[in-house]
Amino acid sequence: GAVVSQHPSWVICKSGTSVKIECRSLDFQATTMFWYRQFPKQSLMLMATSNEGSKATYEQGVEKDKFLINHASLTLSTLTVTSAHPEDSSFYICSARDPGREQFFGPGTRLTVL
Amino acid sequence: QQQVKQSPQSLIVQKGGISIINCAYENTAFDYFPWYQQFPGKGPALLIAIRPDVSEKKEGRFTISFNKSAKQFSLHIMDSQPGDSATYFCAAIQSGSARQLTFGSGTQLTVLP
Repeated sequence: GAVVSQHPSWVICKSGTSVKIECRSLDFQATTMFWYRQFPKQSLMLMATSNEGSKATYEQGVEKDKFLINHASLTLSTLTVTSAHPEDSSFYICSARDPGREQFFGPGTRLTVL
Repeated sequence: QQQVKQSPQSLIVQKGGISIINCAYENTAFDYFPWYQQFPGKGPALLIAIRPDVSEKKEGRFTISFNKSAKQFSLHIMDSQPGDSATYFCAAIQSGSARQLTFGSGTQLTVLP
C-alpha cells in the first residue's frame, strides 16, 4: 500500500509556543489530505480537509486560527498548532487520499504541551 | 450525532477463536465501508473494505459481512491470534467529492494466548 509519513513522531513543547507537524505522501500524489485528532481510547475526530493549493475546510468547532493547515504541494501538508496549551495535547494523525481514492494514514504525532 | 455505531467497545477472545465486531449506519448515502486496525501509538491501517453491492468479502482470516437492508456490517476474525490484539474501527464513506471517513467508536480486541 501507499506510504504516508509524519514528522515529528512526538513533540513536547511549552505552553504558548507553536508546533508544526508535517505529513508527506511518499510514493503517490495526494490531492486531498485529512487531519485527525485522537484522544486516548477514543475514535479519530476529523479536524480538517486539506486540498492542494486551496484553503483547508475545517470541521465545526475546530479553530482555524489555532490549527493552521497548509497543503503547499501534492505530497506535503502541514498542521501548525499555534499558541499551544495543555488541552491541545493529543495524538494528531494525517491521512492522504491516493488517485485510486483510498485513504492511507500516517503513523501519528504525539503532542504534549507542558 | 454518531452516524456509525460500533459494538462491542471491548472484546476478549481466546487464541484460535472467532472475533466478531459489529457496526450499523443510518446514512444510505454511504457507499464504501472500510475497516481499520490500530496498534497503540500508531496510525490506523486499512484492513479490508467492502462496497454495498457485495454481501461478503474475505481476505485471509478477515471477513466482512454486509447486510444492506439492515444497514449493518461486521468484521469476523477467524483463528484469532495474540498479534491481532489492537483497536479496530469500522468506517463509512459517503459518495461525493469530499470522501470523508466517518469512524465508529472503536473496539479494543484482546486475544489471550
